[in-house]
Parts: sequence; structure tokens; C-alpha cells
Amino acid sequence: DAGVIQSPRHEVTEMGQEVTLRCKPISGHDYLFWYRQTMMRGLELLIYFNNNVPIDDSGMPEDRFSAKMPNASFSTLKIQPSEPRDSAVYFCASSPDRGPTDTQYFGPGTRLTVL
Amino acid sequence: GQQVMQIPQYQHVQEGEDFTTYCNSSTTLSNIQWYKQRPGGHPVFLIQLVKSGEVKKQKRLTFQFGEAKKNSSLHITATQTTDVGTYFCARRGSSNTGKLIFGQGTTLQVKP
Repeated sequence: DAGVIQSPRHEVTEMGQEVTLRCKPISGHDYLFWYRQTMMRGLELLIYFNNNVPIDDSGMPEDRFSAKMPNASFSTLKIQPSEPRDSAVYFCASSPDRGPTDTQYFGPGTRLTVL
Repeated sequence: GQQVMQIPQYQHVQEGEDFTTYCNSSTTLSNIQWYKQRPGGHPVFLIQLVKSGEVKKQKRLTFQFGEAKKNSSLHITATQTTDVGTYFCARRGSSNTGKLIFGQGTTLQVKP
């Protein structure tokens, strides 16, 4: 079975540019999560969706960040404009909705470098 | 609040030595999950503990859930270089809607 798919795997961009990260969750999973990981702040939850609806976006750093889930098999995280402090590894994860013991399955991540 | 604290943050051991990481919460946990992230990789689910005092083993790894369900530990016996990585514990968010709150992680280095 295919796991969570993320693209691109690496992204290098210049400050001020728009960046779009993409995620395809595991088929049949109802939850989708976007995380950011840095050495300083660890693994931070940015936003998550349930059945394509954003449930909690309290972790989104600021208005430059936006996330969408137009259908059950695709989500995007957009940063516009990007800044050097956005450099991090961004993970997408998905989870089925079978109750409080569900585990999360992480994608390989997108390593973003903003110059 | 809902945070889980992990200690230590880093641990360097000689291959063959044991290793333990601890996860503590100020509030009672419904369950606790453990994940491992290899260097350059992504977090991968290891195990989940649900019952008070529960102990589960996976080969050289032993996971415990405290009697009060406020702490958990992961113990590795006779570490190997393949054990290198960061170990995270994670608790369910209070609203029980699928959200996990991860600890800061313990990064294990094993010297051959």
C-alpha cells in the first residue's frame, strides 16, 4: 500500500517567493495533519483537517501560511511570501477515524530552504 | 496544560549500553503513543499504551505506562547503532478529535 505522499521532497526558494507543498494522504484516512519540524521548535502541528474540513489551525504561524484540502486525496500548504525563518521540514500525516487510539502515518516530508 | 515533557533531550551511549527516555504529563492521559524518527527520516509509529501500569515489549524495547497514567517510559536494552534516532511520545489532545500532541523528543546517539 502506498503511504502518505508528499511533493516536492526538497524545495529551495528565495525570500518573497510563493511556496506550495503538496500531500496525498493514505486512501480512506479521514484526518490530515500538517507539521513543521525545526531544531529549535521541534515538531509543531500547524493545522489539521477532518473529512476535508479544517478543524484546528491554531498552529499556523501567521497569515502568510494557508492550507487547503479540496478533496479527500489532496491537500496543499502554501506560504506567501516566504521568509528565511520558514526554512524547516514540513510533514504531512494522515490517520483513520476509528477513535482515540488511532495512530498517525507520516509522509517523507518536504525540506524547505528559503534563502 | 496538555504538553508532555520528555527527558533527557539528548543521550549518548556506547553500543551495548541500555537507554531510557521518560515522558511526563501533569494531567491524566487516555493513552500514550511512541514514535521513532531516524536521522533524515520521518516519525514512525512504534506502539500505543492504554491501560494503567501497562508494559509492552518489542524485542529489546520495553514500553511502560504509569499506574496513574501520567507518565511513560521507553527502555532499550543493549543498544545497537540501528537504534539511533529521535524518540517521541505523543498524547491525545483533550478534545479527542484525532489531534496528537508530541513531546520534544529524545535524541539517541550510539557509539560503536
